[in-house]
Amino acid sequence: DVKVTQSSRYLVKRTGEKVFLECVQDMDHENMFWYRQDPGLGLRLIYFSYDVKMKEKGDIPEGYSVSREKKERFSLILESASTNQTSMYLCASSLGAQGSETQYFGPGTRLLVL
Amino acid sequence: AQKITQTQPGMFVQEKEAVTLDCTYDTSDPSYGLFWYKQPSSGEMIFLIYQGSYDQQNATEGRYSLNFQKARKSANLVISASQLGDSAMYFCAMRGRSGAGSYQLTFGKGTKLSVIP
Repeated sequence: DVKVTQSSRYLVKRTGEKVFLECVQDMDHENMFWYRQDPGLGLRLIYFSYDVKMKEKGDIPEGYSVSREKKERFSLILESASTNQTSMYLCASSLGAQGSETQYFGPGTRLLVL
Repeated sequence: AQKITQTQPGMFVQEKEAVTLDCTYDTSDPSYGLFWYKQPSSGEMIFLIYQGSYDQQNATEGRYSLNFQKARKSANLVISASQLGDSAMYFCAMRGRSGAGSYQLTFGKGTKLSVIP
């Protein structure tokens, strides 16, 4: 079974803090993704990575950066957290070969910025 | 650009009955894939079923089936014999290519399904 883990289920931070959200997958997947989910808006793609050290902006990259130094780990960084970044953050991974491109998700991190 | 539309914000179904969740899509790419995910209150997104645009048969996975009507650009999820554990948010998603040529998913806004005992 594919296993995607996220470092925290719940996180509370203060405005202006630097925040790191970590995601690890154990299935040697090429692609990894970060989404945020807000009520009524569905899932919106922040960034994704299709290889180590490679990244591509999604639909809402502003205020975020990412790091992928190792294949299994993909980090989302909030350089200076703001209250409008309070959200549910979901990490996902996919195999990377052409085909179904099914994405497998982690349990999510609920971030509250005060 | 790809677009996914789920017009039902919420649905109710009686336990043991079947329910259909609607999904329509729009894309100019002749090759695409359609997915359904379930999200229980715990938050984790669970993959349910996949349909490729060139697949001849409708996809089925246990109690889940996908009613794929290509000409109408619809990919409705059918859940047979509903169970209380089916109460969750359900998201339809479509695979498309990003500007750099890699694949990504576009999600609909979801349908909240409530199963009534």
